[in-house]
Amino acid sequence: ETGVTQTPRHLVMGMTNKKSLKCEQHLGHNAMYWYKQSAKKPLELMFVYNFKEQTENNSVPSRFSPECPNSSHLFLHLHTLQPEDSALYLCASSQDRSGSYEQYFGPGTRLTVT
Amino acid sequence: QKEVEQDPGPLSVPEGAIVSLNCTYSNSAFQYFMWYRQYSRKGPELLMYTYSSGNKEDGRFTAQVDKSSKYISLFIRDSQPSDSATYLCAMWANSKLTFGKGITLSVRP
Repeated sequence: ETGVTQTPRHLVMGMTNKKSLKCEQHLGHNAMYWYKQSAKKPLELMFVYNFKEQTENNSVPSRFSPECPNSSHLFLHLHTLQPEDSALYLCASSQDRSGSYEQYFGPGTRLTVT
Repeated sequence: QKEVEQDPGPLSVPEGAIVSLNCTYSNSAFQYFMWYRQYSRKGPELLMYTYSSGNKEDGRFTAQVDKSSKYISLFIRDSQPSDSATYLCAMWANSKLTFGKGITLSVRP
């Protein structure tokens, strides 16, 4: 495996479900990011982890809960989502926070909330 | 005024055309300027990044930054159908990337 991988690639969930998105980077990086990509909107940064510590939470609703057990893995736990949360969720990594101008993205998880 | 403005297009050109993609910005603090390419059902792929004003060339791609005008461009020479994708500009300051909305390019054979 190379680069940044994400699973699952597609997810359909009801508003009462609980699910998790997984991201793994094989680049030896120390910073990891979650982004939300919606149609006709710029990428929205959700969370940032640097050396496993959360350094940024951009006013994301608590129904999204990130977890970073080590520098290579990042999770996004989802519960009681709303239909407007349907989007492409992208994980990215960079060498560290100061090198965040060079980010590498995974393929994303296409989430549909019904 | 949004920090980063990018014409959403879409843009359709014939194969072999020179393509010019542009973004403007308002934040003078931006230091790095990036272009990402995103194919359908894929994540964004970093194409090029530049620091400060000037040109940077990589094969058929040239990135241009004019900090005095707060304007960046990506030129694609001899465009190919495989260049059909969404192109996102992004700018970096204070450890944060700010993206444009992206423009969808279609290169017709």
